[in-house]
Amino acid sequence: EAQVTQNPRYLITVTGKKLTVTCSQNMNHEYMSWYRQDPGLGLRQIYYSMNVEVTDKGDVPEGYKVSRKEKRNFPLILESPSPNQTSLYFCASSLRGTGSYNEQFFGPGTRLTVL
Amino acid sequence: ELKVEQNPLFLSMQEGKNYTIYCNYSTTSDRLYWYRQDPGKSLESLFVLLSNGAVKQEGRLMASLDTKARLSTLHITAAVHDLSATYFCAGSPGSGGSNYKLTFGKGTLLTVNP
Repeated sequence: EAQVTQNPRYLITVTGKKLTVTCSQNMNHEYMSWYRQDPGLGLRQIYYSMNVEVTDKGDVPEGYKVSRKEKRNFPLILESPSPNQTSLYFCASSLRGTGSYNEQFFGPGTRLTVL
Repeated sequence: ELKVEQNPLFLSMQEGKNYTIYCNYSTTSDRLYWYRQDPGKSLESLFVLLSNGAVKQEGRLMASLDTKARLSTLHITAAVHDLSATYFCAGSPGSGGSNYKLTFGKGTLLTVNP
């Protein structure tokens, strides 16, 4: 089944404790992206990747890191989480190129709470 | 910078009624997307609109795009309870990497009452 998976789905942690949220897709998509969703603010892009070893900042990259060492994986790293990073995080992926219409497929989400 | 504005943000409808959600965007967007999100769930792609005058329909939902007015609409016909969800529109402007970035509206929380 074509899908985007994220782990963990739920995480409660404490300020300053490094964590990684994994994202994996099995559709051979070049493009992958991370969004956070907050009440009243909608979804905002954190980072994106056009292909392996190619990443760039989105609208709200502060406090986050990403890497893209393999095509299928795009982990989101919080080196020193803070309470303002409490949010619902979504990973998304899509094909590149005009034929794909850039339709993005979203993972199930990771609800992160930083105490 | 692309900005996307949806209205209304909250919509309570009776079953069987029709209604329209509006999505305005601020600058050129070469494609417009509609997504549905159920509570606690992920986003499900509903429609991708690529060109001026594009109209797509799926069941009781119909989406259209007017690039000259920078407006997309999501029309709901004869609403049923199963349509209760939050609906997002999103645009993607520019070229290169930013062409793939989605800028979302704040979403419309639709509640269909019996």
